[in-house]
Amino acid sequence: QVQLVESGGGVVQPGGSLRLSCVASGFTFTNYGIHWVRQAPGKGLEWVAFVRFDGTTKYYADSVRDRFTISRDNSKNTVSLEMSSLRPEDTAVYFCAKGGFSGYDRAYFDYWGQGTLVTVSS
Amino acid sequence: EIVLTQSPGTLSLSPGERATLSCRASQSVTSNYLAWYQQKPGQAPRLLIHGASTRAAGIPDRFSGSGSGTDFTLIISTLEPEDFAVYYCHQYGSPIPWTFGQGTKVEIK
Repeated sequence: QVQLVESGGGVVQPGGSLRLSCVASGFTFTNYGIHWVRQAPGKGLEWVAFVRFDGTTKYYADSVRDRFTISRDNSKNTVSLEMSSLRPEDTAVYFCAKGGFSGYDRAYFDYWGQGTLVTVSS
Repeated sequence: EIVLTQSPGTLSLSPGERATLSCRASQSVTSNYLAWYQQKPGQAPRLLIHGASTRAAGIPDRFSGSGSGTDFTLIISTLEPEDFAVYYCHQYGSPIPWTFGQGTKVEIK
């Protein structure tokens, strides 16, 4: 069965950095794009970043562009989100999610991980 | 950026009743690339509907989606106790970014 497992969350001071990981299993990882989506406490869902199945194309939300970097290692079925210059407003649960169409960027998110909490606070 | 506006913010209903949730887009959604998700407290979102009207695998047929262009609807025909949750619409067409509505909470009356 499809599984996505996030890790790496924690408490970090404003201006600090953190690296999140998402390990996937149960599907052909090299065929699907992967997204990061976040949810601030008590708030709705916000798309953060996307990496294409082959890693050649990446997109970012304006709110994180130039601070966050998404990458993938297809040999390890892993997607990472490197976060720097963190702000209190980046505090959220971060989910990774699998694109629903093989080889296609524009897809719904058919499977989600359980999320990892990032807290930015002094 | 396509802005999705969901209404109502909260829907108070009893088990067995019908729920009608609305999602309106600020511009036409490409190819009706509109999905609906259900989220319960402390859990990840769960895909219900994609392509505006196609149920995801394993989703009961009491959930149905409809609409096109800028106006979309999710209907839960007969509410079961496990259906009380927050529902989000999501557009995954052009342009980037992918966007979500702010959510509709379906609560027990």
